[in-house]
Amino acid sequence: KQEVTQIPAALSVPEGENLVLNCSFTDSAIYNLQWFRQDPGKGLTSLLLIQSSQREQTSGRLNASLDKSSGRSTLYIAASQPGDSATYLCAVRPSGGSNYKLTFGKGTLLTVNP
Amino acid sequence: DAGVTQSPTHLIKTRGQHVTLRCSPISGHKSVSWYQQVLGQGPQFIFQYYEKEERGRGNFPDRFSARQFPNYSSELNVNALLLGDSALYLCASRAWDGRDEQFFGPGTRLTVL
Repeated sequence: KQEVTQIPAALSVPEGENLVLNCSFTDSAIYNLQWFRQDPGKGLTSLLLIQSSQREQTSGRLNASLDKSSGRSTLYIAASQPGDSATYLCAVRPSGGSNYKLTFGKGTLLTVNP
Repeated sequence: DAGVTQSPTHLIKTRGQHVTLRCSPISGHKSVSWYQQVLGQGPQFIFQYYEKEERGRGNFPDRFSARQFPNYSSELNVNALLLGDSALYLCASRAWDGRDEQFFGPGTRLTVL
């Protein structure tokens, strides 16, 4: 059974700081890994998608890396801004068959202080 | 283009009642999945539908059911509501393009009293 863990559970940083969020998964047989942002009480916004054959993806100030063999992914946020405050979730999709189920971590609550 | 839409936004029910939640996927997406997210947890997979057929089911009781219509919209039904069914219900759609990126709607907040 796939398990996804995100560390830390919460993080508070001053504006302008670079930061790293961590995601680990127990089963390396994944098709892809997706990072999402969730504002309080809202739906999920897709940030980055990394296929199992890729090492990293970048979008603006965000960079996500994937080490499938060790079961780890990181989300790097450069020059953080108060508007980045949200919960960040990672999710993995298993490889093989037609199983498109995503398994999520519990998320990291990020607060960026002005 | 419109994203994934869900209705209603909020819903309050009492124990024992039933509820129907609705989802419209992104235009051109034929696959819809449903997730339940309780406060402080990550979303949990409930169902996946593709081309109107159930392709996956999570560890939820038979009180939960769903269906997909010819226009690829979907309904999630929950019978005999329990207090523990209070959660944010999320719908996701995906394109059949090999990337398999999933896009989520704004969710329906269900409160069971």
